[in-house]
Formats: sequence, structure tokens, C-alpha cells
Amino acid sequence: AQSVTQLDSHVSVSEGTPVLLRCNYSSSYSPSLFWYVQHPNKGLQLLLKYTSAATLVKGINGFEAEFKKSETSFHLTKPSAHMSDAAEYFCVVSDLNRDDKIIFGKGTRLHILP
Amino acid sequence: KAGVTQTPRYLIKTRGQQVTLSCSPISGHRSVSWYQQTPGQGLQFLFEYFSETQRNKGNFPGRFSGRQFSNSRSEMNVSTLELGDSALYLCASTYHSGSLNEQFFGPGTRLTVL
Repeated sequence: AQSVTQLDSHVSVSEGTPVLLRCNYSSSYSPSLFWYVQHPNKGLQLLLKYTSAATLVKGINGFEAEFKKSETSFHLTKPSAHMSDAAEYFCVVSDLNRDDKIIFGKGTRLHILP
Repeated sequence: KAGVTQTPRYLIKTRGQQVTLSCSPISGHRSVSWYQQTPGQGLQFLFEYFSETQRNKGNFPGRFSGRQFSNSRSEMNVSTLELGDSALYLCASTYHSGSLNEQFFGPGTRLTVL
């Protein structure tokens, strides 16, 4: 069975400092992994996706994520936080060639301090 | 290409009433999933429809039901509304390819039960 764990429910960083949002997954097969962002009162927007190609995935707005199979992790990073990055972030796993279930993490709320 | 649309965007009902929410997926997408988002529980999967058939179901009571039409549009119905049903209901259409299941989300319907 697949699952996804976002290790922090809240993360606070100062503007201009690096962002790290952690995600660990469990999957029996080759997973597809995604990060979504949700700004207040807005829908979910895809940030980036991993689909067994390059392990370092670049997304929109300067975000990146690295797939580490040995650590079953897919952490989201950004070198320098901006005030507009304040939002909730969801890590998502979907198994290939299985029942196509898509599992969301519980989310990490990112706070940007001025 | 138009995105996922959901109607209505906002809805206020009273306990005991029923409600029907509508979702139109992206053209060509045959799968529609529904999620409930609340501050306490996060994003919870309700059900998924593919080609007019319910393919996956989350852990919600039978008061929550859905259907999908031949044009892939989907409706979700909640009967005998309870206060706890107040939430943002998100619909997502899924693009299935050989190596990727990517969801595209609508803006959501915010339901308030009084």
C-alpha cells in the first residue's frame, strides 16, 4: 500500500532564506510524486512532478525536489523564500500500474517572516 | 484549453438539507476525483469516477454519493447535511498516460452548513 508523510505541519522561514519542506513516501512500485501548492482561498496548483526520469525535478517559482529512492524521500526546496510563497504545500504519491490511487499528504503550511 | 470548472463556488445550506455540486473536467480527461478539505482533517479523498463508473471510494458515509455522465461531467451529492460537512469540496480531473497520472484541480465549492 502506498502512503505519504509530510513531516512538518508548519514551517516558518525568513524572507530570503532557504525553504525545505519534507516528504517521505511508501510505495511498492515505481511511484509518481508531485508537489502541489494551495494559496489561501485558491485551488490547488501543480508545482512539480517526478515520473522516473531525472531525480532532480525543477518546478515553477524556483522550487525543486529531489527523488531519493534509498531514503524514500521527495523533499521540496527553494534557495530563497519570497513572501508570495506563503501557502500550504501538499506532497502527493501515485503508483504506476496499480489502481491509480492518488494519495495526498496532510500538508505543510509555509509561513514567511519579514 | 479550459480548466476544471466547479459550480457553484459558494453554497450555504442548513442541517438536514441536501446539496449537489457539479464538476466539469478538462476536455479529454475521463477521470474525475472528489476531495473534501477541512482545517482539521486536511484533504480527504471522497471518490473517483472513470468512464461513468466509480473506481475508487474513500472512507465517507453513504450520505456522500456521486455520479459521472457520458460527457465526463460529474456531480457529487450530500444528503441530510450535518454541520461537519462544512468544507471546501475540490474536484480534480486526471490525465492518464503510460507513465503519469496528473491531477488538475478546480477552484472548489465552499459549502457552509448552518
